[in-house]
Amino acid sequence: GDSVTQMEGPVTLSEEAFLTINCTYTATGYPSLFWYVQYPGEGLQLLLKATKADDKGSNKGFEATYRKETTSFHLEKGSVQVSDSAVYFCALSKDQAGTALIFGKGTTLSVSS
Amino acid sequence: SAVISQKPSRDICQRGTSLTIQCQVDSQVTMMFWYRQQPGQSLTLIATANQGSEATYESGFVIDKFPISRPNLTFSTLTVSNMSPEDSSIYLCSVQGQGGYEQYFGPGTRLTVT
Repeated sequence: GDSVTQMEGPVTLSEEAFLTINCTYTATGYPSLFWYVQYPGEGLQLLLKATKADDKGSNKGFEATYRKETTSFHLEKGSVQVSDSAVYFCALSKDQAGTALIFGKGTTLSVSS
Repeated sequence: SAVISQKPSRDICQRGTSLTIQCQVDSQVTMMFWYRQQPGQSLTLIATANQGSEATYESGFVIDKFPISRPNLTFSTLTVSNMSPEDSSIYLCSVQGQGGYEQYFGPGTRLTVT
């Protein structure tokens, strides 16, 4: 069945370091891909999305490119801040109305000053 | 994006009791989704709620344990029945975005069962 695999955490970085969180997926067809962020004590927020191959989603300095050839959607940020400390979830949708999202297990990012 | 509210935001309940969680959306939506997030885990879909019809449950979730109501296009409830400590989780509702397949989530209900 369809699935999403994320790198295990926690990821611990110093402020201004470069961030990569790996995400790969297994799905038939052409899913849409998403990154969600969950700050401590809060709900899930959509961070960015990409709906077709080679699309790049970006928001708040974060980027991810939909790579169909490697079935990947890695999250990157050039310079992390303490405020980026959160849990990041990669997810896919099968592009049908009413279809639920399939989530990865989440990666905890901790940024220290 | 839709604005979604949930009540209660958190609760501590005794074993064997039931809790009803409310989800309110600021616009009309066809489908609403209920997810569970167990401590330190990812999100698992409980059911999909379509207005005017029975909810569709995922494997491992049953209507007797998690009855869902969907009386109109902006509101839904999820009841966690006959609770045990294993039901301690965050419960989230979500709706699908307009014209896309992303989903927007409520702030969640943090449930602790003692």
